[in-house]
Amino acid sequence: QSVLTQPPSVSGAPGQRVTISCTGSSSNIGAGYDVHWYQQLPGTAPKLLIYDNSNRPSGVPDRFSGSKSGTSASLAITGLQAEDEADYYCQSYDSSLSGSPVFGGGTKLTVL
Amino acid sequence: QVTLRESGPALVKPTQTLTLTCTFSGFSLSTSGMCVSWIRQPPGKALEWLARIDWDDDTYYSTSLKTRLTISKDTSKNQVVLTMTNMDPVDTATYYCARSTTTVTPLDYWGQGTPVTVSS
Repeated sequence: QSVLTQPPSVSGAPGQRVTISCTGSSSNIGAGYDVHWYQQLPGTAPKLLIYDNSNRPSGVPDRFSGSKSGTSASLAITGLQAEDEADYYCQSYDSSLSGSPVFGGGTKLTVL
Repeated sequence: QVTLRESGPALVKPTQTLTLTCTFSGFSLSTSGMCVSWIRQPPGKALEWLARIDWDDDTYYSTSLKTRLTISKDTSKNQVVLTMTNMDPVDTATYYCARSTTTVTPLDYWGQGTPVTVSS
């Protein structure tokens, strides 16, 4: 059972917009810790997609955006493309675990 | 250019100790703020953070695994070593090392991962 809760799967047609939620608690996201998002394409290592809630590393398309509010965060993907089909993980930190990093359970995005 | 590469045995027997090495380039673990973490991912399952070592030799462990883990670094070789004792089949996973530039910044560079199977 992951500390951060994500939906197991989401799907959308090419060109559509999808969102992936990441729900935490008062000891992690709600405590003010930043949320980061990673994209894991099939058979590859995770790649940083969004950092500090809403910032994109260089090279990440602006179709990807992140937000955070209260004890939750969200990743939005607009203009869905076939190459976006991947697993997405949120990550934060938890004060009840001595500030250790914690991950969500991951969300499989299927592009229909 | 920052790169990390994990190495270690692909197969270990139950009760044995696993030793994994992360060899990196493009940064120094003697630079203030730098950290290297180990993360694992069982087949078809989620990521799980295991341990971290910081530039100042501070170490941090997953609360559920801390009795079995030891992380260390050799700054001169640009390597971080993770040992996990008393391996069990449930520890079968791909093990990744990753860098962060402070203790609460994201894991910005990851290795390709090394698969480890625990079986007799």
